[in-house]
Amino acid sequence: GAGVSQSPSNKVTEKGKDVELRCDPISGHTALYWYRQSLGQGLEFLIYFQGNSAPDKSGLPSDRFSAERTGGSVSTLTIQRTQQEDSAVYLCASSSLRSPGEQYFGPGTRLTVT
Amino acid sequence: AQSVAQPEDQVNVAEGNPLTVKCTYSVSGNPYLFWYVQYPNRGLQFLLKYITGDNLVKGSYGFEAEFNKSQTSFHLKKPSALVSDSALYFCAVRDRWNYGGSQGNLIFGKGTKLSVKP
Repeated sequence: GAGVSQSPSNKVTEKGKDVELRCDPISGHTALYWYRQSLGQGLEFLIYFQGNSAPDKSGLPSDRFSAERTGGSVSTLTIQRTQQEDSAVYLCASSSLRSPGEQYFGPGTRLTVT
Repeated sequence: AQSVAQPEDQVNVAEGNPLTVKCTYSVSGNPYLFWYVQYPNRGLQFLLKYITGDNLVKGSYGFEAEFNKSQTSFHLKKPSALVSDSALYFCAVRDRWNYGGSQGNLIFGKGTKLSVKP
């Protein structure tokens, strides 16, 4: 079946604007993750959804960041009042309970804040 | 706290030579260990994992990794490197007993850039 998809692939926005990034996980995957990858840096965990449980938001860098997952499927990461330091590639991944930890990543959204 | 260390920012290897990309970890319990690869301008791909059993695990593209509990290491290896192996490699860990709980996410290392020259 289809892999993880993310949209948009690229987003350029002005400082102070809000942005929404979308992730469509693999069908049937109960876990969904958001990461951030800055140039020359590793992956920074942002938030984790598992089924109907309360999400693990421990990685969100500030209260400008939030995420929702509707109906246990599609997720939206929202960044309010964007700052230049928010520029990065935002990666979404999903995984199945049958393969713990084996995450399937989307192609990412490259966010540039000018 | 869980952590992963990849001590080398970059590894340079000649094509045909063996390669090793190092990874050490720290978890409170028993680990699940993973390697992911990111080719230029592409998303991360799962390469291999250690869950339990044989300490030597084999993955895609001829790669393998050895779990060493005493050294808390999970080094990635390949007997004969290819130019097409050039990519960014990430080691990741999670505490096995926290699966499904608040630490369902993986902790990734900072990545090691592998460059294979002809």
